[in-house]
Amino acid sequence: QQQVKQSPQSLIVQKGGISIINCAYENTAFDYFPWYQQFPGKGPALLIAIRPDVSEKKEGRFTISFNKSAKQFSLHIMDSQPGDSATYFCAASGSSGSARQLTFGSGTQLTVLP
Amino acid sequence: ETGVTQTPRHLVMGMTNKKSLKCEQHLGHNAMYWYKQSAKKPLELMFVYSLEERVENNSVPSRFSPECPNSSHLFLHLHTLQPEDSALYLCASSQRTGGIPAFFGQGTRLTVV
Repeated sequence: QQQVKQSPQSLIVQKGGISIINCAYENTAFDYFPWYQQFPGKGPALLIAIRPDVSEKKEGRFTISFNKSAKQFSLHIMDSQPGDSATYFCAASGSSGSARQLTFGSGTQLTVLP
Repeated sequence: ETGVTQTPRHLVMGMTNKKSLKCEQHLGHNAMYWYKQSAKKPLELMFVYSLEERVENNSVPSRFSPECPNSSHLFLHLHTLQPEDSALYLCASSQRTGGIPAFFGQGTRLTVV
């Protein structure tokens, strides 16, 4: 019940295209959903996060869409660029964002072709 | 750079060795974390330190021993490790003690032989 399922495992997109990464969860106690971006040789970095009281959050080219009834959320990267090539992790946490209950997905390796 | 620095970047150790990983942050954050990242597995939380007090250990084996002497420094002491402990060990920090990690270090790639 604590698991966060992420797909796809890898994704190849042409420059300028839209990258979409999906995550699903089962624990209805989760109430904070962050996304992390990890470049090769670096640690993850918090990219964007959403709470379930909104259905969408946008920051620049990055958008989180959230479907509470389906218990699914996704990351959309508009106008994907080669510099976006990285591994993306979704995560979910209870207690309004507690590391103690932060569960990560298994990651999606995104490659944006020039 | 994220402001979280880990040393060493790479470490190879035998199963009978004792070594320590170091993490340093000068962001003024109140919480620090140790995570384990293994290939094709989700990130696993190992320890949380909030205001220098350990608040979570997530049932990590005793061969991993954390130490937080002050709010800017975090250590992970390693002894009698197993080959399956080989992984990338990541340190992270957050401003709020009850929050999630915002900044991660580059990690220490540990290989146990």
